[in-house]
Amino acid sequence: GESVGLHLPTLSVQEGDNSIINCAYSNSASDYFIWYKQESGKGPQFIIDIRSNMDKRQGQRVTVLLNKTVKHLSLQIAATQPGDSAVYFCAETLRGAQKLVFGQGTRLTINP
Amino acid sequence: NAGVMQNPRHLVRRRGQEARLRCSPMKGHSHVYWYRQLPEEGLKFMVYLQKENIIDESGMPKERFSAEFPKEGPSILRIQQVVRGDSAAYFCASSLPGTDTQYFGPGTRLTVL
Repeated sequence: GESVGLHLPTLSVQEGDNSIINCAYSNSASDYFIWYKQESGKGPQFIIDIRSNMDKRQGQRVTVLLNKTVKHLSLQIAATQPGDSAVYFCAETLRGAQKLVFGQGTRLTINP
Repeated sequence: NAGVMQNPRHLVRRRGQEARLRCSPMKGHSHVYWYRQLPEEGLKFMVYLQKENIIDESGMPKERFSAEFPKEGPSILRIQQVVRGDSAAYFCASSLPGTDTQYFGPGTRLTVL
């Protein structure tokens, strides 16, 4: 079965607010994690990644936090915009294993 | 700087026909992966290939499905004698050798009538 899951299937936030999308993983041996954004009818788009030797990584308006103690991953999006509306997936993999294990996704809706 | 290319974008087949899905990786990427996505679900790994080699096919159904990545040309995912349960979006991803980051194509949406 899947080793990656998400706490919330849907999330609505007001434009301009910050959003946090959570993800739990069960394989403590996973050492690489990626967040993808998928818009309707399109393929997953890489957002940000993090390795298990880090606990935080920042990009443009996005931050990924990794808590290995509780096997939890989160994606923070700052100052959300309408274009952020999409389904967000976390994925994990083991170094060398290559295949990604995806969570079920969280649908983020930005309200004007 | 083209991304991962997939064609066709949409494919309609009748039960029992064959479906061929093509994937051209990003320039310089020699690793290709195929995933399947059912509506409202996450992507499920099918197969991982390098040029002329299948590295991991643990997610491939035992029958009717095959994949190849020849020395020249795109990677092909082939589904023989399609059934309605094969209807899904099929995504291809590619990566550089020695890296973990996979970049996805736009997908092929297969509908089996």
